[in-house]
Amino acid sequence: GESVGLHLPTLSVQEGDNSIINCAYSNSASDYFIWYKQESGKGPQFIIDIRSNMDKRQGQRVTVLLNKTVKHLSLQIAATQPGDSAVYFCAEIRGNTGKLIFGQGTTLQVKP
Amino acid sequence: DSGVTQTPKHLITATGQRVTLRCSPRSGDLSVYWYQQSLDQGLQFLIQYYNGEERAKGNILERFSAQQFPDLHSELNLSSLELGDSALYFCASSVGLAGGPSSYNEQFFGPGTRLTVL
Repeated sequence: GESVGLHLPTLSVQEGDNSIINCAYSNSASDYFIWYKQESGKGPQFIIDIRSNMDKRQGQRVTVLLNKTVKHLSLQIAATQPGDSAVYFCAEIRGNTGKLIFGQGTTLQVKP
Repeated sequence: DSGVTQTPKHLITATGQRVTLRCSPRSGDLSVYWYQQSLDQGLQFLIQYYNGEERAKGNILERFSAQQFPDLHSELNLSSLELGDSALYFCASSVGLAGGPSSYNEQFFGPGTRLTVL
């Protein structure tokens, strides 16, 4: 079936390095993508989003890249900090409902 | 703190039982969403309500039902519970009903209810 998937289950980086978390999606009709961060014991928290008519969007220390040709989404975190340690999910919205379809998640571990 | 509250925080029950999970959305939000997070299935959308009406349905079992009340709080009812229903159940809320990039539609998640079925 259709899904939003993540390439790696765990990513370990050194504090201060840049992190890149990847996500693949299979539905070329998807028009909106979101990255969420989930810390232990908490609900998902919005990080950044991107529409399908864009290929890049920047936030504070985070950048999302969208490659529609290969149906690939990535989240780049600059100067990764210990507080960035969490599970990161990509999600997509299809159609005009708020139904979020989540990927499996990547655990980001930041080593001091 | 997202402004979305969920009760109870933890729930332990036995197979075959019925439980009710409660969600209070952020003030002013009309949409409520329910998601299930389990180790094997990840985060799965269950159902969405907007201003008291069901708007979208996902992978929600027939043993599960939900409703949104006039004061906009929502309840998720899980019956004939099975071991596999053990999971985290999240509620989210947004102002609007549709997906899309605007603050009107951003979903804010509650802290979740951890359900353990023994």
